Amino acid sequence: ILNVEQSPQSLHVQEGDSTNFTCSFPSSNFYALHWYRWETAKSPEALFVMTLNGDEKKKGRISATLNTKEGYSYLYIKGSQPEDSATYLCAFTGSARQLTFGSGTQLTVLP
Amino acid sequence: KAGVTQTPRYLIKTRGQQVTLSCSPISGHRSVSWYQQTPGQGLQFLFEYFSETQRNKGNFPGRFSGRQFSNSRSEMNVSTLELGDSALYLCASSGGGRGDEQFFGPGTRLTVL
Repeated sequence: ILNVEQSPQSLHVQEGDSTNFTCSFPSSNFYALHWYRWETAKSPEALFVMTLNGDEKKKGRISATLNTKEGYSYLYIKGSQPEDSATYLCAFTGSARQLTFGSGTQLTVLP
Repeated sequence: KAGVTQTPRYLIKTRGQQVTLSCSPISGHRSVSWYQQTPGQGLQFLFEYFSETQRNKGNFPGRFSGRQFSNSRSEMNVSTLELGDSALYLCASSGGGRGDEQFFGPGTRLTVL
């Protein structure tokens, strides 16, 4: 059974704060690491798919880094806004094709 | 391009009944995966279908089954429903390559009484 862990479980920040979350995954048989954003009453939406050690991806104020050798990825949000409030999920793809999801980090940005 | 659609959106059943959920993928996508989300459990992988064949299966009992049609639409069936089957069921479609981005539907909320 693959173990994908995310921390923290939940986070409350003030508008304008920068924040980051962690995703830990197995370092063996790595193929890809995904980040999704899941807003209440909506579908999960892909943010990034990362495949190479040292990958850094950026989309607006959100960025992510990947370390496949030690099995972790960080998601950063710069200058958090209330619309960033959501659950952020990471998912690991290894030798099997399926995505194994972590339990998510629930972010609340207070105005 | 139309997104992934799921029907019905909400469903209430009683224990022992069976249920069928439907998922229509994005046009051109050949892979459909199904997930179960329960409070505190996160998204649990059920199975994946690609070109009408089950390509991958998660750790769920045989009461959970699925199929895919030639137009890539997929159905998921749960027989002999249990209270613990109450959950949000999401499907996601992709091109089918390993590690491909998956596009999720809005989900079907199943309540078992």
